[in-house]
Amino acid sequence: AQSVTQLDSQVPVFEEAPVELRCNYSSSVSVYLFWYVQYPNQGLQLLLKYLSGSTLVESINGFEAEFNKSQTSFHLRKPSVHISDTAEYFCAVRGVTGGGNKLTFGTGTQLKVEL
Amino acid sequence: EAGVTQSPTHLIKTRGQQATLRCSPISGHTSVYWYQQALGLGLQFLLWYDEGEERNRGNFPPRFSGRQFPNYSSELNVNALELEDSALYLCASSLDVTIGETQYFGPGTRLLVL
Repeated sequence: AQSVTQLDSQVPVFEEAPVELRCNYSSSVSVYLFWYVQYPNQGLQLLLKYLSGSTLVESINGFEAEFNKSQTSFHLRKPSVHISDTAEYFCAVRGVTGGGNKLTFGTGTQLKVEL
Repeated sequence: EAGVTQSPTHLIKTRGQQATLRCSPISGHTSVYWYQQALGLGLQFLLWYDEGEERNRGNFPPRFSGRQFPNYSSELNVNALELEDSALYLCASSLDVTIGETQYFGPGTRLLVL
């Protein structure tokens, strides 16, 4: 079984400032890791994912996340945020083996970008 | 390419009634997943269907059920609705059961039980 912890429920930040959203996971097997974003009144959109290979993964809109196996973390970062990044961000994990293909989500981090 | 679609967008029911939610996966995707996003409970895995079979089930009572049709679309049925069933129900699809395949989500159906 897997679990995900997103320590920060809300992160306020000014526009053009850097941001880090933290995600830690627990699993008895190797995992795949995902970040999804949810804009108000919408479903989830995949932001980026780590399956294998390079531990640093990037999205098309400037976000990046680094898989750290020793610290069991997959923190999401952006060097300069924009108002349009205001949304809720969910970290998710899925076991490489077993787990029935289900995603286990963290409780989400609300990113609020202010002028 | 069309994404995952869900209908209806909103559904209002009263306690004890039944609700039926529908999902059409991305073309070519054979796996469909259902998740519940309830206030205070976060996103919880409900069901996984692949090739018409239920492959995995989350920790939900039997009144939550569903099926997958030959065209890979899916239905989620919730019987004997309770107030706490009020939530956003999200459907996702993936290409196949190969480990690592990404799940793509639809916009959700917001169910309100009065």
